[in-house]
Amino acid sequence: KAGVTQTPRYLIKTRGQQVTLSCSPISGHRSVSWYQQTPGQGLQFLFEYFSETQRNKGNFPGRFSGRQFSNSRSEMNVSTLELGDSALYLCASSARRGYNEQFFGPGTRLTVL
Amino acid sequence: AQKITQTQPGMFVQEKEAVTLDCTYDTSDPSYGLFWYKQPSSGEMIFLIYQGSYDQQNATEGRYSLNFQKARKSANLVISASQLGDSAMYFCAMREGPGAGSYQLTFGKGTKLSVIP
Repeated sequence: KAGVTQTPRYLIKTRGQQVTLSCSPISGHRSVSWYQQTPGQGLQFLFEYFSETQRNKGNFPGRFSGRQFSNSRSEMNVSTLELGDSALYLCASSARRGYNEQFFGPGTRLTVL
Repeated sequence: AQKITQTQPGMFVQEKEAVTLDCTYDTSDPSYGLFWYKQPSSGEMIFLIYQGSYDQQNATEGRYSLNFQKARKSANLVISASQLGDSAMYFCAMREGPGAGSYQLTFGKGTKLSVIP
């Protein structure tokens, strides 16, 4: 069974631009969560999606948004990029909400110049 | 207050020896789950082991075991017979129950484990 895939793996953008990251969960998994990892703040929760609905959002500004499609694939978008948005963005999938196994993808490393 | 505390920023262990990575947590929710993940330098988070708050026995997965002491709110990861490939960052995480309103994972700051040949 294929794992969680994230595209692109690496991305370089400049301040003010916007970016879209994609996550394909494990087949059959319906819950997708996103996390941001930075050296200073560590791993922080961004969003959780289930059945195409955002169930929860972390403490991030409105520039961060996301969505989930009917096939459970998810995208997150960051508009008006700032230098501080440089991070590793990780996606995790789970068969259902609150399940005891959450599998992460390889991440997208975003660099904002 | 931090929900997950990992007090060891870095640790060294000799190859083939066992090592314990510490994790304490803080929650008032009676239903919660505790996770350990390994993150090699490549960045991918690798799921290692899970312990539910109502599980009576300590979880084990191959060379990994979780020493769960509920009263002390600790969930230490024990790696037996360390291998060079175990060198990585290790994160402890907690997911609180439905009463918390969210199934998000809250992570500790991590412990960098280095295995010495």
